[in-house]
Amino acid sequence: QSVLTQPPSASGTPGQRVTTSCSGSSSNIGSNGVNWYQQLPGTAPKLLIYSNDQRPSGVPDRFSGSKSGTSASLAIRGLQSEDEADYYCAAWDDSLNGYVFGSGTKVTVV
Amino acid sequence: EVQLVESGGGLVKPGGSLRLSCAVSGFTFSNAWMNWVRQAPGKGLEWVGHVKSKGDGGSTDSAAPVKGRFTISRDDSKNTVYLHMNSLKTEDTAVYYCATGVILIAWGQGTLVTVSS
Repeated sequence: QSVLTQPPSASGTPGQRVTTSCSGSSSNIGSNGVNWYQQLPGTAPKLLIYSNDQRPSGVPDRFSGSKSGTSASLAIRGLQSEDEADYYCAAWDDSLNGYVFGSGTKVTVV
Repeated sequence: EVQLVESGGGLVKPGGSLRLSCAVSGFTFSNAWMNWVRQAPGKGLEWVGHVKSKGDGGSTDSAAPVKGRFTISRDDSKNTVYLHMNSLKTEDTAVYYCATGVILIAWGQGTLVTVSS
């Protein structure tokens, strides 16, 4: 049972906008920044968004993040076939004194 | 170019021990917090623990499922971080990744640990 809750799946057609959510609590998302990771099939995870809404160098601006209270969201604008991947949210948890991941959302391009 | 290369994975019996290594290059290792994250077959990501830079005290934190069994250490002279795993259980079977930074900005390719009799 993950500390952060994500829907197991999301899908869209090429060019569509897809969003996925991440729900936590006051001890994690409510008091710390949220980071998002993209894991393409058979590869290691890659940092996609950090500190709620910041993109590392090289990440397309089609990807955006936001946070409100104890929840966060990841949006993919102009969905492309190469965006098919698992997406994980994560944050530091002050109560657990550890870094916690969401269960992951599998994004499918139909 | 930032590179993290894990090694040391393999097959081990329940109750056994294993030491994983992660050699890094392309950034100032001594200033970096280093993490271990694992992923069981077909499952999601699970943070195992981290070791802070010596400048930030060099202390470690670890997740509840591995506390008391796994230890993380670092050798700044070798740009290497280690994961010492003892009393291994079948549920520790996973790909183990090392990742750098407070926000896990760069990751290695992972090494597979299989715990089975």
